[in-house]
Amino acid sequence: KAGVTQTPRYLIKTRGQQVTLSCSPISGHRSVSWYQQTPGQGLQFLFEYFSETQRNKGNFPGRFSGRQFSNSRSEMNVSTLELGDSALYLCASSLNVYNEQFFGPGTRLTVL
Amino acid sequence: AQSVAQPEDQVNVAEGNPLTVKCTYSVSGNPYLFWYVQYPNRGLQFLLKYITGDNLVKGSYGFEAEFNKSQTSFHLKKPSALVSDSALYFCAVDHNNDMRFGAGTRLTVKP
Repeated sequence: KAGVTQTPRYLIKTRGQQVTLSCSPISGHRSVSWYQQTPGQGLQFLFEYFSETQRNKGNFPGRFSGRQFSNSRSEMNVSTLELGDSALYLCASSLNVYNEQFFGPGTRLTVL
Repeated sequence: AQSVAQPEDQVNVAEGNPLTVKCTYSVSGNPYLFWYVQYPNRGLQFLLKYITGDNLVKGSYGFEAEFNKSQTSFHLKKPSALVSDSALYFCAVDHNNDMRFGAGTRLTVKP
């Protein structure tokens, strides 16, 4: 069974631009969560989607948004990029709530 | 608000010795607790979880963790460390669909 895939793996943007990251969960998994990982702040929860509905959202500004499609694939968007948005963005999928999460390799975003 | 703490940034052990990576949590009600490991340049991998039942949970790669409700702890343990266990370990708590991760503990196992 294929694991969680994230595209692109690496991305370089400039301040003010916007970016869209994609995540394909493991087949059959209905829950997708997004995390931001930085050396200073560690792993921070962004949001979680289940059956196309956002069930929970972390403490991030409205520039960060996401969505989930009917096939459980998910995208997250960051608008008006700031230098501090440089991070590894991890996507994780699980069968259902409170199941263990399977993480993708991440998308490393660099904002110049 | 719930939180999880990993009091040690770094743990160093010799190969073959037992290892413990500490985790404490703060949450009202019953928590769901997890341990994940992150190897260099790779995503996180699930190790084990506690939902309910036996306080001693066994997971992948010979790891286990003990849920202690009175001490609000969920320490990760392994009887005999391997050099290949060297990685970054994260404890996480999920309560009411809100997943929080600890800051991580870097485990180094020396030959």
